[in-house]
Amino acid sequence: AQRVTQPEKLLSVFKGAPVELKCNYSYSGSPELFWYVQYSRQRLQLLLRHISRESIKGFTADLNKGETSFHLKKPFAQEEDSAMYYCALKRGGADGLTFGKGTHLIIQP
Amino acid sequence: NAGVTQTPKFRVLKTGQSMTLLCAQDMNHEYMYWYRQDPGMGLRLIHYSVGEGTTAKGEVPDGYNVSRLKKQNFLLGLESAAPSQTSVYFCASSYGRTYNEQFFGPGTRLTVL
Repeated sequence: AQRVTQPEKLLSVFKGAPVELKCNYSYSGSPELFWYVQYSRQRLQLLLRHISRESIKGFTADLNKGETSFHLKKPFAQEEDSAMYYCALKRGGADGLTFGKGTHLIIQP
Repeated sequence: NAGVTQTPKFRVLKTGQSMTLLCAQDMNHEYMYWYRQDPGMGLRLIHYSVGEGTTAKGEVPDGYNVSRLKKQNFLLGLESAAPSQTSVYFCASSYGRTYNEQFFGPGTRLTVL
């Protein structure tokens, strides 16, 4: 069965510092990988997906099939980046997402 | 557009009681999903639907039933609630299957005593 692992429950960095939220997955096929974010008092929303290879709010994530990772990175953290971040995987041809347990990112001023 | 809405927002049940959670979306999406989130856990898929009149089991379907009689609505039922079903329930919808963003509702916090 597929699995998504986010090793950090909590990550605290200072404003302006680089941020890297780790995500590793296990799946034998070709997955679709996503990062979802939940800001305080807001609903879960898509941040980015690996297929689009875009940068959203300064965040990027590269799918590394060799290391089965999809780490989320931002070079300079901002206070408004504080939120819960979830990495999610979708199996090819299947429905629904498999989520990691999430990482609570806190950006200190 | 309201997006994805969930009713109710909060509910407290006694063990053995039944209830139905309603999810509605106004985006004409084909796919709808029910997830549950327990403390310290990621969201887990309960049931999903790929279109009106169809439903399928997800990762943790036991103790739940679902119905999709109308395209815009997806109902999650608990026939006999148990304390293990205390959780936050999220509904989501998406246009299609591949590379499509799932839009989430605000969640329903359910406590079973």
